This record gives sequence, structure tokens and C-alpha cells, in this order.
Amino acid sequence: AQSVTQLGSHVSVSEGALVLLRCNYSSSVPPYLFWYVQYPNQGLQLLLKYTTGATLVKGINGFEAEFKKSETSFHLTKPSAHMSDAAEYFCAVSSYGNNRLAFGKGNQVVVIP
Amino acid sequence: DTGVSQDPRHKITKRGQNVTFRCDPISEHNRLYWYRQTLGQGPEFLTYFQNEAQLEKSRLLSDRFSAERPKGSFSTLEIQRTEQGDSAMYLCASSSTGRIEAFFGQGTRLTVV
Repeated sequence: AQSVTQLGSHVSVSEGALVLLRCNYSSSVPPYLFWYVQYPNQGLQLLLKYTTGATLVKGINGFEAEFKKSETSFHLTKPSAHMSDAAEYFCAVSSYGNNRLAFGKGNQVVVIP
Repeated sequence: DTGVSQDPRHKITKRGQNVTFRCDPISEHNRLYWYRQTLGQGPEFLTYFQNEAQLEKSRLLSDRFSAERPKGSFSTLEIQRTEQGDSAMYLCASSSTGRIEAFFGQGTRLTVV
């Protein structure tokens, strides 16, 4: 079974500071990895994904993530936080032929002016 | 594309009543998924359709839950004899063969009182 661990349910960051959200996965097969963002009472919006190839992937809104197989990690970063980044962020894993996403518990990001 | 549409957005029901939710996927997408998200948790997979065939069901989908996708278009999720533990956000997502990412609707928030 595949799984994702996201530590620290709430993350506070100052406006303009680095955003770093950690994601570690467990998978016995090559993983597909995703970051989704969820605004209050909304569905999930895809930020970025990794399937194969380049391990540094860039997404929307200035976010990027790096796949590190040796560390089984897929951490999400953004160099400078904006007030509009306040939301909940979910890391998820699946794989080829697997029709379900396994999500982490999420990180609630608060941006402090 | 017009996105994944879910109806209703909110539903309050009394314990023991039946409820039905509808999901309209992106028009060219042949795959459809249902997830459940409880407070403070990431979404959990419930079931998956490819066209009209229900190919996978989670153990979370008890006998009180049934999902259909007639003609491979919209889908419905019915919960019979609702319980307070069914209170959650029910998310629908769709994708197409050959695309890795799934696109989510805004969800239906169910409150059982």
C-alpha cells in the first residue's frame, strides 16, 4: 500500500519568507507524486506533479518541489510567501496502473503580514 | 473545459435519512472517482469508475453506500440510513486515460444531525 506523511498540521510563515512543506512517501513501486491546494470550502487544485524525468518540478503560483528517491521525499517550496498562499496543502501518491490517490493529512498554511 | 461540477454544495440531513449526491465530470473524461474528506484529514478514496463500470471500491464504502455512473457520464453517490459519522466533504474527481492527474470538483459537504 502507498502512503504519505506530512508533519506539522499548521505552518505559519511570514509574508515574503520561504514556504517549506515536507512530504515523505512510502511506495514499493515507482511513485507518481502530487501537491494539491485547497481553499476553504473548495475542492482541490493541482499545484504540480512528478511522474518521471526531471526531479525538480515547477508548478503554478511560484511553487516547486523536488523528488528525492533516496530520501523518499517530495518537499514543496516557494521562495516568497504571499497572503494569497494561505490555504491547506496536500501531498498525494499514486503509481502506474493505480487508480487511487493516497493523501497525507495536509498542512494548513497561515501567512503572517 | 468547464470543470467538475458537484451538486448540492451543502446538505444537512437527519440521521436515518437517505441522501444522494451528483457529480458531472469534465466532458471528455472517462474516469471518475469519489473521495471522502473528514475534518482535519486528507481525502480518502471511496470508489472509481472507468466509463460506466465501477472497477474499484474501498473498504470505506459500506453497504449503506452505493455509487452509479449510468452511460458513463454523470455519477451519483447515495448514502442510505445516514449516520453522524457520515458527516464529511464528499469530493468527486475525473481524469482521462493517458493523463496522470485528476481534477476535483468543489465537493458536497454533508452534515448529519
